[in-house]
Amino acid sequence: GENVEQHPSTLSVQEGDSAVIKCTYSDSASNYFPWYKQELGKRPQLIIDIRSNVGEKKDQRIAVTLNKTAKHFSLHITETQPEDSAVYFCAARGWGKLQFGAGTQVVVTP
Amino acid sequence: GAVVSQHPSRVICKSGTSVKIECRSLDFQATTMFWYRQFPKQSLMLMATSNEGSKATYEQGVEKDKFLINHASLTLSTLTVTSAHPEDSSFYICSAPRGQLNTEAFFGQGTRLTVV
Repeated sequence: GENVEQHPSTLSVQEGDSAVIKCTYSDSASNYFPWYKQELGKRPQLIIDIRSNVGEKKDQRIAVTLNKTAKHFSLHITETQPEDSAVYFCAARGWGKLQFGAGTQVVVTP
Repeated sequence: GAVVSQHPSRVICKSGTSVKIECRSLDFQATTMFWYRQFPKQSLMLMATSNEGSKATYEQGVEKDKFLINHASLTLSTLTVTSAHPEDSSFYICSAPRGQLNTEAFFGQGTRLTVV
């Protein structure tokens, strides 16, 4: 089945700086790659996603890039703000179900 | 966006008892729902895929007799933790796919289960 690895596990950034989280996947047949933000004790919220026929997608301060050949995808958050502090999960859809990365704890310090 | 409602949000039960968790898709029909378990500071681990009108598909290592799943309608799936033990204490969360090619996952609020 699909295996998703996510790095780093924790990321501390100064407010206004950029944050980058990277994920790799194993199943070349995976075709959908969402990113979720989860605040403590709450449900994961979809923040952006990308499909395998697209290399990059941007939504305001958030962007995702996908390299199908290398089987990796990344989340980029620019101009970080304290409310961006949360755990971020990448995922890849293989065999009809989502496989999640281990998560990245992002801390944005004012 | 699509709404998935999960109930209860928190439950405390005694060892040996059973607990039922409900997951409802409020504004769309879901032939498939997914049940996850999340330990503190860890990722979401898929437990099983709930299929409307047929048996659930369990992931390797998940006891189907302990975690009973019923998907009796297109808007409701239930997870029953039977004979609960303290090690079953966890955050259980469901999701239902929707959107283009049914790939976008919408999550319920989650259920914090504590077994004492």
